[in-house]
Amino acid sequence: GESVGLHLPTLSVQEGDNSIINCAYSNSASDYFIWYKQESGKGPQFIIDIRSNMDKRQGQRVTVLLNKTVKHLSLQIAATQPGDSAVYFCAESLFSGGYNKLIFGAGTRLAVHP
Amino acid sequence: SAVISQKPSRDICQRGTSLTIQCQVDSQVTMMFWYRQQPGQSLTLIATANQGSEATYESGFVIDKFPISRPNLTFSTLTVSNMSPEDSSIYLCSVGVSNEKLFFGSGTQLSVL
Repeated sequence: GESVGLHLPTLSVQEGDNSIINCAYSNSASDYFIWYKQESGKGPQFIIDIRSNMDKRQGQRVTVLLNKTVKHLSLQIAATQPGDSAVYFCAESLFSGGYNKLIFGAGTRLAVHP
Repeated sequence: SAVISQKPSRDICQRGTSLTIQCQVDSQVTMMFWYRQQPGQSLTLIATANQGSEATYESGFVIDKFPISRPNLTFSTLTVSNMSPEDSSIYLCSVGVSNEKLFFGSGTQLSVL
């Protein structure tokens, strides 16, 4: 697990600040998107999802924004905490071969400093 | 949600050998997916495993290298065959709940010497 995120772009923020993580997706036919959080040594953990008929969805301290025009997704984390330090992936759902499968973006490492 | 148990959690293997990774789910699921995560990178889908049918492999992955079993609705295995150092990765099992949302196991950290 320690190798996760070594070569990924890093976003460094101060504890208490808001974080914005961006993602570009590739397929204009995708109609469902998910943000995952991956801590070292663990599998990806579901954070929040959004369907293409929405442009914003809010959860607890997190908000996902979807811009279908430019195929862009963002994750906003309010009042970032040290426990938010992890690698964050967006994923798009593609229907292919009779079923939906998730295609993951490149990922961003979030480093929260006290 | 679903609770997914994956074994082994990590292993160090010699070149040319094979390793079988097990994935057990606490509920019956139709779709199980196997992903690979190379060091410092994102997740790449290897194949989709449905119970009672052959696995469907993504471009760049073949059955001879990554044979998959899916004997029932709660269990699957992925074998990494004839390993080389390039196979060193984290291998992740995931299951689909409500068709699209995937839940993941903790992964198997594989190092090939």
